[in-house]
Amino acid sequence: GENVEQHPSTLSVQEGDSAVIKCTYSDSASNYFPWYKQELGKGPQLIIDIRSNVGEKKDQRIAVTLNKTAKHFSLHITETQPEDSAVYFCAASKDTGNQFYFGTGTSLTVIP
Amino acid sequence: KAGVTQTPRYLIKTRGQQVTLSCSPISGHRSVSWYQQTPGQGLQFLFEYFSETQRNKGNFPGRFSGRQFSNSRSEMNVSTLELGDSALYLCASSQTGFTTEAFFGQGTRLTVV
Repeated sequence: GENVEQHPSTLSVQEGDSAVIKCTYSDSASNYFPWYKQELGKGPQLIIDIRSNVGEKKDQRIAVTLNKTAKHFSLHITETQPEDSAVYFCAASKDTGNQFYFGTGTSLTVIP
Repeated sequence: KAGVTQTPRYLIKTRGQQVTLSCSPISGHRSVSWYQQTPGQGLQFLFEYFSETQRNKGNFPGRFSGRQFSNSRSEMNVSTLELGDSALYLCASSQTGFTTEAFFGQGTRLTVV
C-alpha cells in the first residue's frame, strides 16, 4: 500500500517568515495530493491540493509543489501569521476512490 | 451550503458495548469516507461508501462496520468496544470520490472506559 512520510513533525517560525513542510510518497500510482490544516478541537480543513499533472499551485500565501519523479511534494506558507498555527497534514490518493493516506502531521507554531 | 455534520460530538462508552456514529455529507456529495484519528497512529482510513456501496476498506477488524443510506448519510458501528477504540472518528464527503476534494466534519470523540 501507499506510505506517506512527513517532515518535520514540529516547526516554529517567527511571524512574517516562511514555513515549508515536506512529504514523500511511495506509490507511483498516487495522483492527488491534498493538504489539510487541523486546529484544536476541529476536523481537518482542506487548504490546497495538487494533481499529478501539475508541478506547482499557488493560492495567496500558500503554495504546493510536486516532484513526481522523486515522489515528493511540499507545502510553502509565506508571510506567516499567528492564525496559521495548527497541525498540517499531507495526504495522497489514487483513482480507486476517496481513500487518503495521510502523513503524520506537522505542528506549526507562528511566534508573534 | 452546510458542511459535513457528525453526531454526536462526544460519546463515552464502556468496554464491550457497541456504538453508532452518524455522518451527514454536504448536499450533493455521494462519497463518504471514515477515518480514525489517534495520537499514536494518526489518521487511518476505515472505509468508504459511494452510492450505498462500500467501495474501499481499510485494515480494521470486522468489529468496525458501516453503511450508507439512499440520501448519502452514513453510519459507522463499532461492536464489542475496546479501550484502544478511543479516538476521534472523522468522516469526509466528496462529490464523486475519485481524487476529488474531500471535506471533513468536526468528528465524534469516542472515549471507551
